[in-house]
Amino acid sequence: TQLLEQSPQFLSIQEGENLTVYCNSSSVFSSLQWYRQEPGEGPVLLVTVVTGGEVKKLKRLTFQFGDARKDSSLHITAAQTGDTGLYLCAGVGNFNKFYFGSGTKLNVKP
Amino acid sequence: ETGVTQSPTHLIKTRGQQVTLRCSSQSGHNTVSWYQQALGQGPQFIFQYYREEENGRGNFPPRFSGLQFPNYSSELNVNALELDDSALYLCASSRDGANYGYTFGSGTRLTVV
Repeated sequence: TQLLEQSPQFLSIQEGENLTVYCNSSSVFSSLQWYRQEPGEGPVLLVTVVTGGEVKKLKRLTFQFGDARKDSSLHITAAQTGDTGLYLCAGVGNFNKFYFGSGTKLNVKP
Repeated sequence: ETGVTQSPTHLIKTRGQQVTLRCSSQSGHNTVSWYQQALGQGPQFIFQYYREEENGRGNFPPRFSGLQFPNYSSELNVNALELDDSALYLCASSRDGANYGYTFGSGTRLTVV
């Protein structure tokens, strides 16, 4: 069983559309991170959120951490073909255990 | 500054053999963690080392073991390889734990036949 559930698993959209990816858990995390991974590469850190209710913006990407620190969302505005990739959320749990979600595979079509 | 480098990039082993994978952490980082990523899945946490001590472990059997050296580089050892151990093995480093995110290497692709 996956401690962090991501939805949707797959997303195929046209360039210019908006999208939201969700990351949910029944557990509390001291921090939650989002990564993007391309084929044959390791994940690349996009953002870390540590405070419940925190919202961070990185250009067209908006990240939100739930008030109870159990869930997060990633919103992309006006998606571009360069946004294509596997988006992974990850959380730091008890005893320094690090959990990844199963990922959302995003394909942005021109 | 150099990032995280892993070696080898690809490896083929026979079931029952032992394998050692290596990782050089990013300059200034004292924490290293290892992950197993099966095709189409998110990475699974194996363990974390902080200043040469294991201080976090996922649900992997004892045949998965590791070391962190004084220069903070690390090794992942897997004994008695099984076919299901075939995966991408990722190493990541950070400064002082996981809370502010990891820098990942490109991984070692292990195939067990």
